[in-house]
Amino acid sequence: SQQGEEDPQALSIQEGENATMNCSYKTSINNLQWYRQNSGRGLVHLILIRSNEREKHSGRLRVTLDTSKKSSSLLITASRAADTASYFCATDANSGAGSYQLTFGKGTKLSVIP
Amino acid sequence: ETGVTQTPRHLVMGMTNKKSLKCEQHLGHNAMYWYKQSAKKPLELMFVYSLEERVENNSVPSRFSPECPNSSHLFLHLHTLQPEDSALYLCASSQVSFAANYGYTFGSGTRLTVV
Repeated sequence: SQQGEEDPQALSIQEGENATMNCSYKTSINNLQWYRQNSGRGLVHLILIRSNEREKHSGRLRVTLDTSKKSSSLLITASRAADTASYFCATDANSGAGSYQLTFGKGTKLSVIP
Repeated sequence: ETGVTQTPRHLVMGMTNKKSLKCEQHLGHNAMYWYKQSAKKPLELMFVYSLEERVENNSVPSRFSPECPNSSHLFLHLHTLQPEDSALYLCASSQVSFAANYGYTFGSGTRLTVV
């Protein structure tokens, strides 16, 4: 079943503006992760936030997590044309068999216009 | 180069062909995954191997057959595929622990077209 769901599906902004993407999920999690995918390529891990954390920063990225609302947001500040990509949130599901599995949403397609 | 290498990058095959996708990781990870990415759909988890043992098979049709001969290599054997199987197939690896998952490392994917 689909766990993470990103919003909006597509976002177009001018270079220099901030981009905010949201993710909602349905069940309790151990952590939530954000990934980026350039067109037709593999996904790249950006940042992981644990269920007991509320906010995390990495460079121009800021992630928040609200476990009471089962939602997370990814903020990219001072966007650049090179940030153009699809962004996915992923939540883990501890199968209890010693393997962690990630469930991904459909992603938000971000276009940054120079 | 992420440390996870997938070959081939592109594959066109007929419905009666047999082919294999290969994934190799040089990160010392102990879990490997196959995902399918189709247009306008979420990534679909197909198979999980943890410590070389298959621990998940998400109701994938038998025309897809995974193989994990060791912790560094993962294959996806394909036979008698359908056109709807055309997609980007992504391999990923991770280090599993009960404490946390530190994220997956993905390969660049194999773009499969079934004609």
